[in-house]
Amino acid sequence: EVQLVESGGGLVQPGGSLRLSCAASGFTFNNFAMAWVRQAPGKGLEWVSGISKSGSNIHYAGSAKGRFTIFRDNSANTLYLQMNSLRVEDTALYYCVKYTSGTSLGDYWGQGTLVTVSS
Amino acid sequence: QSVLTQPPSASGTPGQTVTISCSGSSSNIGRKTVNWYRQLPGTAPTLLIYTDNLRPSGVPDRFSGSRSGTSASLAISGLQSEDEADYYCAAWDDSLEAWVFGGGTKMTVL
Repeated sequence: EVQLVESGGGLVQPGGSLRLSCAASGFTFNNFAMAWVRQAPGKGLEWVSGISKSGSNIHYAGSAKGRFTIFRDNSANTLYLQMNSLRVEDTALYYCVKYTSGTSLGDYWGQGTLVTVSS
Repeated sequence: QSVLTQPPSASGTPGQTVTISCSGSSSNIGRKTVNWYRQLPGTAPTLLIYTDNLRPSGVPDRFSGSRSGTSASLAISGLQSEDEADYYCAAWDDSLEAWVFGGGTKMTVL
């Protein structure tokens, strides 16, 4: 059974940093691209960043460029999102998401970890 | 303002067929396939349709997708009360080099 378990969310002040983690199990992690998708309270879905199975190909949403870094440790079956210079508008539930074998987004989603940016 | 445009709400009665539209542009839906997701209240989204019209295992054939030009649509036939959820379309955008979502459509079963 595929499982994606996020952690690392919490309350942080504007300008602060957080590192999110996603522990993956139930599939061969290094065979699949992964992504982070967020959802602000009461709002829709927003893709944040994606990374290829080897980690060599990375993309970011405009809102994340220059502030967020996605990376993965295939030996530990873990996906990360390093978030710096956090803003109030980054407040959201952050989902870890697996791509299909055909690199289509989102055949499995974690339950999310909540990031709250507030003073 | 979402890159893909969906109606904010849709509704139907049990047994009815309801369609949700998703409008994009030449840089996304016009050249890339579309996925659809369903999000039940208080839960994570799940994949409903991928690559325009393919259903993951476990998704009933009441759900179907199509794409034409710069638009896509999701059809739900035999509407059921458990279909009350938010539905999102998404596609890769070649200009933005990012996945883009629609704003979501809240489905109400009357």
